[in-house]
Amino acid sequence: IAGITQAPTSQILAAGRRMTLRCTQDMRHNAMYWYRQDLGLGLRLIHYSNTAGTTGKGEVPDGYSVSRANTDDFPLTLASAVPSQTSVYFCASSESSGGADTQYFGPGTRLTVL
Amino acid sequence: GQNIDQPTEMTATEGAIVQINCTYQTSGFNGLFWYQQHAGEAPTFLSYNVLDGLEEKGRFSSFLSRSKGYSYLLLKELQMKDSASYLCAVMSGTYKYIFGTGTRLKVLA
Repeated sequence: IAGITQAPTSQILAAGRRMTLRCTQDMRHNAMYWYRQDLGLGLRLIHYSNTAGTTGKGEVPDGYSVSRANTDDFPLTLASAVPSQTSVYFCASSESSGGADTQYFGPGTRLTVL
Repeated sequence: GQNIDQPTEMTATEGAIVQINCTYQTSGFNGLFWYQQHAGEAPTFLSYNVLDGLEEKGRFSSFLSRSKGYSYLLLKELQMKDSASYLCAVMSGTYKYIFGTGTRLKVLA
């Protein structure tokens, strides 16, 4: 693995179902992020984690939860999916210890909720 | 509120120079980033400005004026592969990044 991987690449999901999007990085970065990207709205931060064991809310956290059990993995869970959660989801990481830092993005997960 | 404005779309000719502007109003400022995103792909880092002035990186340069809340990305000697969306992003707080909606650049032969 080199960089950030996300799984699945794409998914069609029935409304009300639970779904976990996976994200793994091998760069030993401290910070990780989840964004959603919607046409006309740009990238919006859902949740972030500054280090293993700590998470925080971004701009649009409702309906999503995250965990950071270790440095490498940062899964995003939709407890009960709704159609408005149809989007492309990007995971990102940065070395960051709080300062401005370059983010490295995964390839994305295209999620459709019907 | 927090807001980043960029033009939605621009068109330029191969070999030309194009300037993509970005204005921002954010509650905090810890730096401004430019990312390139090809259709269907992930954003990739282009440049970072935290102090006023120009940062140059090969064919790409980025400028920042913090007092004006303004930045631009300058692309020289345009190539067809530069056709992509260009995202302006501001770090407005610790671990908080605000992205603009992106400027879709079309490079014509």
